[in-house]
Amino acid sequence: DAKTTQPNSMESNEEEPVHLPCNHSTISGTDYIHWYRQLPSQGPEYVIHGLTSNVNNRMASLAIAEDRKSSTLILHRATLRDAAVYYCILRPPTRITQGGSEKLVFGKGTKLTVNP
Amino acid sequence: DGGITQSPKYLFRKEGQNVTLSCEQNLNHDAMYWYRQDPGQGLRLIYYSQIVNDFQKGDIAEGYSVSREKKESFPLTVTSAQKNPTAFYLCASYHRVGSTEAFFGQGTRLTVV
Repeated sequence: DAKTTQPNSMESNEEEPVHLPCNHSTISGTDYIHWYRQLPSQGPEYVIHGLTSNVNNRMASLAIAEDRKSSTLILHRATLRDAAVYYCILRPPTRITQGGSEKLVFGKGTKLTVNP
Repeated sequence: DGGITQSPKYLFRKEGQNVTLSCEQNLNHDAMYWYRQDPGQGLRLIYYSQIVNDFQKGDIAEGYSVSREKKESFPLTVTSAQKNPTAFYLCASYHRVGSTEAFFGQGTRLTVV
């Protein structure tokens, strides 16, 4: 299973940008990079995903290295509501035939603390 | 509104009892997953299913069982063989085609009393 490596924790101040790194050196050419975040006692929620190009949405930006072995989730202005555990995972390509393996493997993620 | 629903939110079980956690989705998703989360830890994969009547073991399947008789439903049974079942259980689903995101339920917190 393709694995990702993230720092256990990071800290930021409110209204400052946050860069959350993720290493995925064994990524395959067709794996998508997905980011989720989990607030306390809730299920994770989707943040953003990409394949090769950098991506932006209303929540965050995703910067993907040219060799795709690492990526960075960027929160442009952190708020207290952004305090959560952030997970970087690899989404394998869809295998239409029965018996294909599409495991979604989550690591421990990065716990982001936002200081007021 | 479409979504994925887990029930109950809190569940208490006596030692030696089997208990079933419900996961239902009306998103027409093919793939469904069960995860276990212990305090301060990440998500560990228990079982997953990509189509009806088929499922695969994840990394920590021992002591658990599942069924996938309907596309919308993927119940998880925690059996008495699971020695340490107290945990937060999360169900997820997504469309297999494309790169769409996974949707998670709000979780079931199981406590053995």
